[in-house]
Amino acid sequence: EAGVTQSPTHLIKTRGQQATLRCSPISGHTSVYWYQQALGLGLQFLLWYDEGEERNRGNFPPRFSGRQFPNYSSELNVNALELEDSALYLCASRPGVTPGGYTFGSGTRLTVV
Amino acid sequence: GESVGLHLPTLSVQEGDNSIINCAYSNSASDYFIWYKQESGKGPQFIIDIRSNMDKRQGQRVTVLLNKTVKHLSLQIAATQPGDSAVYFCAESYSNSGYALNFGKGTSLLVTP
Repeated sequence: EAGVTQSPTHLIKTRGQQATLRCSPISGHTSVYWYQQALGLGLQFLLWYDEGEERNRGNFPPRFSGRQFPNYSSELNVNALELEDSALYLCASRPGVTPGGYTFGSGTRLTVV
Repeated sequence: GESVGLHLPTLSVQEGDNSIINCAYSNSASDYFIWYKQESGKGPQFIIDIRSNMDKRQGQRVTVLLNKTVKHLSLQIAATQPGDSAVYFCAESYSNSGYALNFGKGTSLLVTP
C-alpha cells in the first residue's frame, strides 16, 4: 500500500511569489492535514480537510489556503511568500473515523529567497 | 494559552539502556496523545498512541504512560538501539479540533555505543 505522497520534494521561490504543494493521502483516508515545520521548531498545525471541506485551521494568516479534491488529494497554496515561510511542509492523512491512523508524508521543503 | 511542552530538549543514553522521554500538556480537553519519531529529512513516524481513558499502553520495546492528574505523558524505550537516535515529539489532540495535532518542540535522543 502506498503511503502519503507529497510533491514536489523541494521548492524554491522568490519572496512575493505563490507556492503550490500537493498531497496524495493513503487510499481510503478522507481526512488530510497540513503542518508547517520551521527549522529547529516543532510542527505547527495549518489546515484540516475532510470530505472536500476545510474543517479547521491553525493560527496562520489567510494567505495560507488550500483545497481537497473529490479523490481526497489536497493542495496547499501559500500566497505572497515571505522569507519566514521557508519550512518543511508536511501532509498527513487518516481514515477520518477514529482519532488514530495518522500517517505523514515526507514533506515538501519550501525555500523562499 | 494551551501548550504541549517537553521537559528536556536533548537526551543522551548508552546503547542497551532504557530511555525515558517526558512531555507535559496543559489542555484538559485533550483525549488522544501520540508519540512520533522523526529522523533527519523524513516525516514523523508513528510510534505509539494512547487515549485519555487509559494510563498505560505497550508496544514493541515502547511504553507510553499517561498521568491525567498532572497532565504528563512519557515514552519509555527499552534496550535503546543506535537506530532509535532521532527527534521524538509528543502530540495531543481532541475531538472538537478534528484531532488536529498540537506538537511539542521535540527531544533529540542520541544513543551512544
